[in-house]
Amino acid sequence: GENVEQHPSTLSVQEGDSAVIKCTYSDSASNYFPWYKQELGKRPQLIIDIRSNVGEKKDQRIAVTLNKTAKHFSLHITETQPEDSAVYFCAASEDTGFQKLVFGTGTRLLVSP
Amino acid sequence: ETGVTQSPTHLIKTRGQQVTLRCSSQSGHNTVSWYQQALGQGPQFIFQYYREEENGRGNFPPRFSGLQFPNYSSELNVNALELDDSALYLCASSFPGTGELFFGEGSRLTVL
Repeated sequence: GENVEQHPSTLSVQEGDSAVIKCTYSDSASNYFPWYKQELGKRPQLIIDIRSNVGEKKDQRIAVTLNKTAKHFSLHITETQPEDSAVYFCAASEDTGFQKLVFGTGTRLLVSP
Repeated sequence: ETGVTQSPTHLIKTRGQQVTLRCSSQSGHNTVSWYQQALGQGPQFIFQYYREEENGRGNFPPRFSGLQFPNYSSELNVNALELDDSALYLCASSFPGTGELFFGEGSRLTVL
């Protein structure tokens, strides 16, 4: 089955810096890669996703890149703000309508003012 | 548009007991998935329901079971509770083919 590894487990940056979180997956059949943000005690919320027919997707300060050959994808946050502090999870699945997401172990991002 | 709601938010059980967790899906969503999130870990897929049928299951034993009702709400039942079942149980609803899961706030289960 699919296995998703995520690094780093914790990431501390200064406000205004960029943050990069990386994930690798094992199943070449996976073609849907979402990123979720989970604030303390809150529900995971989708912040951006990418499908395998594109290599990069951007939404304001957030971007995701995908390298299907190497089986890895990354989340890039620019101009970080304290409210970006949260746990970020990457996930992978086959986009077949049967939406079993396999999640990474999470990255705790701390943005210091 | 109402979001995904779960109940109860917190509960404490003892080993061997049974628990039922409830979920109301987001309006218009006919697919419900359940995930288990242990402390400090990513959510793990338990199973998914579509049109009142289980149509996918993760690596969880049969004592984890579920139901989906005609209004698309859902229940997760866990029998013979074990200490390792202590976790946040997340329900997520979606519309087939769209990919995005909308999560509820979760039910935090503590097994003593």
